[in-house]
Amino acid sequence: EIVMTQSPATLSVSPGERATLSCRASQSVSSNLAWFQQKPGQAPRLLIYGASTRATGIPARFSGSGSGTEFTLTISSLQSEDFAVYYCQQYNNWPPITFGQGTRLDIK
Amino acid sequence: QAQLVQSGAEVKKPGASVKVSCKASGDIFTGHHIHWVRQAPGQGPEWMGKIDPNSGGTMSAQKFQGRVTMTRDTSISTTYMELSKLSSDDTAVYYCAISIEAAAFPSYDYWGQGVLITVSS
Repeated sequence: EIVMTQSPATLSVSPGERATLSCRASQSVSSNLAWFQQKPGQAPRLLIYGASTRATGIPARFSGSGSGTEFTLTISSLQSEDFAVYYCQQYNNWPPITFGQGTRLDIK
Repeated sequence: QAQLVQSGAEVKKPGASVKVSCKASGDIFTGHHIHWVRQAPGQGPEWMGKIDPNSGGTMSAQKFQGRVTMTRDTSISTTYMELSKLSSDDTAVYYCAISIEAAAFPSYDYWGQGVLITVSS
């Protein structure tokens, strides 16, 4: 089973600043990685798939990069609605599909 | 517009079973595999398995094999996930999810609203 490790667990950033979230896979997942945003009481929302492709309707301030075992989600200029929990997910080697434990993005 | 609508919250006793439904709208039911993902309080999502609504074929995570059963009723565009031998560790929100935009990959762009299953004596 591929283990996904996200860092940091919590990130405090001021509105308008850049946020950089990391995700590491225990073995290569090629570019078969997605990023999700989740707000309290809601289902996860797909942001990025294929490591770097923005899903339909996702603002350009969200970008994904990386391949193999190291991945990054960057939010270029944080808006108030961006404060949430973010998860990475690998779907290269499954079953099982696996998710990280999340990074909570807080307002500084 | 694709939509997945799930059944309501339930409270179960340890050792019991629970069956959650997921009704798909429009023509998405037969065109996409439906995955089941759960999320325990304060935890990341956990993949449980998937079903091909066309064939009824299923695949599940080894962790749940022997306890999870996924079925479908094509006449009402609904899939079901039944989990048996419940324990407190199974307390979680259970989601169904599909991938439409990147249909070849399980990167879920549509999710059900989630069902809270509470296991308590």
